[in-house]
Amino acid sequence: DGGITQSPKYLFRKEGQNVTLSCEQNLNHDAMYWYRQDPGQGLRLIYYSQIVNDFQKGDIAEGYSVSREKKESFPLTVTSAQKNPTAFYLCASSIGQIQETQYFGPGTRLLVL
Amino acid sequence: GENVEQHPSTLSVQEGDSAVIKCTYSDSASNYFPWYKQELGKRPQLIIDIRSNVGEKKDQRIAVTLNKTAKHFSLHITETQPEDSAVYFCAASKNNAGNMLTFGGGTRLMVKP
Repeated sequence: DGGITQSPKYLFRKEGQNVTLSCEQNLNHDAMYWYRQDPGQGLRLIYYSQIVNDFQKGDIAEGYSVSREKKESFPLTVTSAQKNPTAFYLCASSIGQIQETQYFGPGTRLLVL
Repeated sequence: GENVEQHPSTLSVQEGDSAVIKCTYSDSASNYFPWYKQELGKRPQLIIDIRSNVGEKKDQRIAVTLNKTAKHFSLHITETQPEDSAVYFCAASKNNAGNMLTFGGGTRLMVKP
């Protein structure tokens, strides 16, 4: 799992501001995912991408956007439309599409000023 | 969609005792059930998984059992050690959902020395 990096470790957002969280992997994985983790709760899927230039909404996509222009990168933008963005954001990747181990990055903690 | 319930939310055991965490799922088409461990401040990591064609799988002190009829699966940790202290998440997925995982809410396991 050391092949997945996320930056920054901490991110502060002001009211009405869009912020972008970075996720990079050098594992040559096709699939990538974004999860949101709130205190005491499980992981909820925001967006996922099974291949370059393609992505699908997860359970809680509202207020978020993604792009997948390169296999190694899957950035997540938290837009001003996301009214409760404070959470721990985890990126993950897996080899392909079918029920394989997901490897997680170290996470980004987003806080609202 | 799939719904995964996990119990208990917290579990405290004495070192050397066994710990059992249970999950139920709603979609009978789900056929892949991984368990992730997240130590404090670290990323989730896969510890064991089971597919619906088997009823039990063991890996040293960890085992997972699956009851497809009742739609529940459990994680069993024997001879617990302080380093087993962490949050454990169960998850479920099905073939036609790619590698999308639905996670349970997590169980915080505390092993007292």
